[in-house]
Order: sequence, then structure tokens, then C-alpha cells
Amino acid sequence: EVQLVESGGGLVKPGGSLRLSCAASGFTFTNAWMSWVRQAPGKGLEWVGRIKTKTDGGTTDYAAPVKGRFTISRDDSENTLYLQMNSLKTDDTAVYYCTTDDHWNRYWGQGTLVTVSS
Amino acid sequence: DIVMTQSPDSLAVSLGERATINCKSSQSVLYSSNNYNYLAWYQQKPGQPPKVLIYWASTRESGVPDRFSGSGSGTDFTLTISSLQAEDVAVYYCQQYYSTRTFGQGTKVEIK
Repeated sequence: EVQLVESGGGLVKPGGSLRLSCAASGFTFTNAWMSWVRQAPGKGLEWVGRIKTKTDGGTTDYAAPVKGRFTISRDDSENTLYLQMNSLKTDDTAVYYCTTDDHWNRYWGQGTLVTVSS
Repeated sequence: DIVMTQSPDSLAVSLGERATINCKSSQSVLYSSNNYNYLAWYQQKPGQPPKVLIYWASTRESGVPDRFSGSGSGTDFTLTISSLQAEDVAVYYCQQYYSTRTFGQGTKVEIK
């Protein structure tokens, strides 16, 4: 059974940093492209970014609102996906989901809440 | 960036009736080399993560009831629920994966 478990969310002040983790199991993580998707309270889904497999170059792409501030990385030895978030803004307040990326997003974690507030 | 626009923002349908949600992309998501439309549909119920229903615009995900169907090509797509059930109350999103990924704003489906 595929499991994606996010952690690391919490309350952070504007301008601060936070690192989210996503522990993956039940599939071959090394072979999976992975994405982060967020959802602000009461709002719709927003794609944050994606990382390809090492075989496919390990490259990353980001949505415009987070480019230059957020960094996605992966540790294939630990089956873990990361999202490093810097220079956080109040608009970054959201539930952050870790998802597999088969072009579409088949498997999702339950999400972790990030609140950016002074 | 490709912008996805759904209509309507919400709709109320009687049990057993048809629900139709539209999705329009700002540019074509049809990849000419393989003739695939890079378009997916998701369902999200309150307090849950989204669940993929349809990909390649019309391929139903395993386990999804056949009352859900997707159609369209190029820039215009439709998700149809042929006979609305109580458990279909949710927000539905389209997503393009032709160029990175973007979601539509969502359509809330309720029971009339």
C-alpha cells in the first residue's frame, strides 16, 4: 500500500523558514517523480513544484509564486521528499500535500498545515 | 503558464440527475506527437486530499465508478457525472500536465 506522510508544518513568522518532509513507502521511490501541492484555507489547489528522478536528471520546476524561495529535494536512500521554504509570506499559509507525479497526481498524503503569521 | 478556467463555480443537481463541469485551458493541452490530451480531473471531499478520477482527459482511474466520464480535446474539456449520488458531493478540479502543472479553481457540486 502506498503511503505518503508529511511532517514539519507549524507556525512561522513572515520572513522565516520551514522544511517539510514526506516519508514515502509502498512503491519504488527512486523511480517516482514527486510533487508538492498546497491548498490555502477554504481555497483551491495550487501546484507548488516537482522533482524528477535522478535517472531523469533530478531537475526541479516551481510555480511562479514560490520560485526562488522554495526548494524541493529528495533523499532516495531514505525514501524522503523535502520542501525547503524560505522568506515565507502570509500568502504561503496552506496545507501542503506531497504527491506522486505520474504526470497526474495519483497518490497523496494527508497534508501538513503551514501557518505564516506574526 | 497555462491557465485553467472551470465553469460553473458551483452547481446543485438532484439525486440521479446529470452533473456537467467544464474546463477550458488558455492554450491547447493536446500533444500532437502522441495525440494525448494532458488533462486530469480530481475529486476532493471535505477534510480529505484530492483523488484522481480521470487522466488523459477520458481514461478513468481504476476503481472509479463508470458514472464519471471525461471528454473534450485541445482547450475544452468536460467532466460528466451521469447520475449524481449523495457520495459525489465534493469539489472537482481539472489539471493540465502539458506544461508543468496547473489546476482549475474548482467546482463545488451539491445536492439540490
